Amino acid sequence: EAGVAQSPRYKIIEKRQSVAFWCNPISGHATLYWYQQILGQGPKLLIQFQNNGVVDDSQLPKDRFSAERLKGVDSTLKIQPAKLEDSAVYLCASSLVRRGNTIYFGEGSWLTVV
Amino acid sequence: QQQVKQSPQSLIVQKGGISIINCAYENTAFDYFPWYQQFPGKGPALLIAIRPDVSEKKEGRFTISFNKSAKQFSLHIMDSQPGDSATYFCAARGDDKIIFGKGTRLHILP
Repeated sequence: EAGVAQSPRYKIIEKRQSVAFWCNPISGHATLYWYQQILGQGPKLLIQFQNNGVVDDSQLPKDRFSAERLKGVDSTLKIQPAKLEDSAVYLCASSLVRRGNTIYFGEGSWLTVV
Repeated sequence: QQQVKQSPQSLIVQKGGISIINCAYENTAFDYFPWYQQFPGKGPALLIAIRPDVSEKKEGRFTISFNKSAKQFSLHIMDSQPGDSATYFCAARGDDKIIFGKGTRLHILP
């Protein structure tokens, strides 16, 4: 079974530029998550989708971050304009159902803002 | 209330020893407590998990001890091996969200 796929793996941008990350969850998984992991910290939930609807985006900085999940499968997370403090690993994850006991993570997209 | 406090931040254990990582929470509505293991350059992966109606769960060398009255739970790694060197995150589920602790970097000396 293929895991959660993310791209790009690494990205370096200047502050105020924009960046987009793509995620393809495990086939059949209804719930998709985007987490932000700053170096030395635990993952922080940014947004959670159930199929193509948003379940929780309470910690998403909506003035600069946006995310969508078209057709309930792939998802894109965008940052515009980026700030230095956005430097982090952006982890996409999925679970079979909304209250699924196992969340499967991708390997992450590493963002450095200079 | 929506926090999971994890300690220590880092831990060094001799090969064959017992590694112990502790977590505490406040929200009594949390209903599921997983532990995740993360190797450098990889995403976290579920290691073991427990529900609050159970006081202990063991899977191989990994054991979770859960103290509901104290609102604390811990991960014990028996016979720790160099391959266990990784970052470990405790977590808790509430309101359909998984909240992670800040992580413990474990290093097992060969």
